[in-house]
Amino acid sequence: DVKVTQSSRYLVKRTGEKVFLECVQDMDHENMFWYRQDPGLGLRLIYFSYDVKMKEKGDIPEGYSVSREKKERFSLILESASTNQTSMYLCASCTSGYNEQFFGPGTRLTVL
Amino acid sequence: DAKTTQPNSMESNEEEPVHLPCNHSTISGTDYIHWYRQLPSQGPEYVIHGLTSNVNNRMASLAIAEDRKSSTLILHRATLRDAAVYYCILRDVSRNGSGTYKYIFGTGTRLKVLA
Repeated sequence: DVKVTQSSRYLVKRTGEKVFLECVQDMDHENMFWYRQDPGLGLRLIYFSYDVKMKEKGDIPEGYSVSREKKERFSLILESASTNQTSMYLCASCTSGYNEQFFGPGTRLTVL
Repeated sequence: DAKTTQPNSMESNEEEPVHLPCNHSTISGTDYIHWYRQLPSQGPEYVIHGLTSNVNNRMASLAIAEDRKSSTLILHRATLRDAAVYYCILRDVSRNGSGTYKYIFGTGTRLKVLA
């Protein structure tokens, strides 16, 4: 069974902390994505990666960075967490054919 | 970026067909139309996708207008398990130079299925 896993389902952090969200996929997919989901705004793309060490900004990259050192792992980094980054974060992956994205279960991050 | 417009919510009776509309009037010729759904407390899951022709799979059917400016996801017999948020998404070529694709999600349609 194909799988995208995320390091935590729930996370609580304080303002100013550095936060790492990790995503791992076991399908040998080239492409990986980070989204955030907020009520009334749907899913918005933060960053995506189309190969190891390659990344592109999505629609809302401000305040975030990413790392992809290995093909199966894509990390989202909040350098200095702020309360407006409280959200549900979803990771996804797909092949270069882009026919179907597979999503992880999400991490609900609360920044106090 | 091309965008999609969907109704915020819809209701359906169990065992009846459901037609979920999506407008994408600024779609470009190479944009694929994808549909995903998100069940409560889960990540989105793929439903179906198409380019120009109507498509069928075990989950649903996708009807695409001739001018491609709208599409409709059809659930042939809604069940209580189909209650979810349904997203109509365009696959768009990245404008950042890599030539890769990104997906543009809208806010989706919340489908309520009545027993």
